[in-house]
Amino acid sequence: NAGVTQTPKFQVLKTGQSMTLQCAQDMNHNSMYWYRQDPGMGLRLIYYSASEGTTDKGEVPNGYNVSRLNKREFSLRLESAAPSQTSVYFCASSTQGTLNEKLFFGSGTQLSVL
Amino acid sequence: DQQVKQNSPSLSVQEGRISILNCDYTNSMFDYFLWYKKYPAEGPTFLISISSIKDKNEDGRFTVFLNKSAKHLSLHIVPSQPGDSAVYFCAAPAYNFNKFYFGSGTKLNVKP
Repeated sequence: NAGVTQTPKFQVLKTGQSMTLQCAQDMNHNSMYWYRQDPGMGLRLIYYSASEGTTDKGEVPNGYNVSRLNKREFSLRLESAAPSQTSVYFCASSTQGTLNEKLFFGSGTQLSVL
Repeated sequence: DQQVKQNSPSLSVQEGRISILNCDYTNSMFDYFLWYKKYPAEGPTFLISISSIKDKNEDGRFTVFLNKSAKHLSLHIVPSQPGDSAVYFCAAPAYNFNKFYFGSGTKLNVKP
């Protein structure tokens, strides 16, 4: 049972380059999320998708775009990478609005922007 | 403005003793809280949760306490084991569960 799968695990970019982080879940969850983790800042929400066909900004959306391709897949795109986007990125999914709600996370993508 | 706060970035405890990790929140509308555990190079994994209708929830060595009047929750690990060494995050969902707010994390080191 794969759960939430993220690719790639590591990436190094030069300033100004673009890339897409891929995420897929096989738990039939409605909601999907992208978080970034920075030292001392915890996990901050970039974008989320409450259901297929909808996306919304989180706490730190600037410099990112997302696509909810279908119920399983939610991608995060950096159009012009900046050093401030050096971080660890986590995709997560959940069934929205149920009692005992919880997030399931992927293993993360470590991104360095030089 | 951070709605969920963990003011202790790190904690060191001897094996076999109790670990107490603290979390404060500012939004009185939060009515459900979660703790996540994260090992290096892995994603966070769910550990334990508590609903605001309770003031305590226990799962094996892990107990979470909720003090609604103080807007404070704590995670107790008894007895602590070296394998518990990880970063612990507390979290709370927005009222409609469309997003989750996380604290900044506490790195627990359990010394053998």
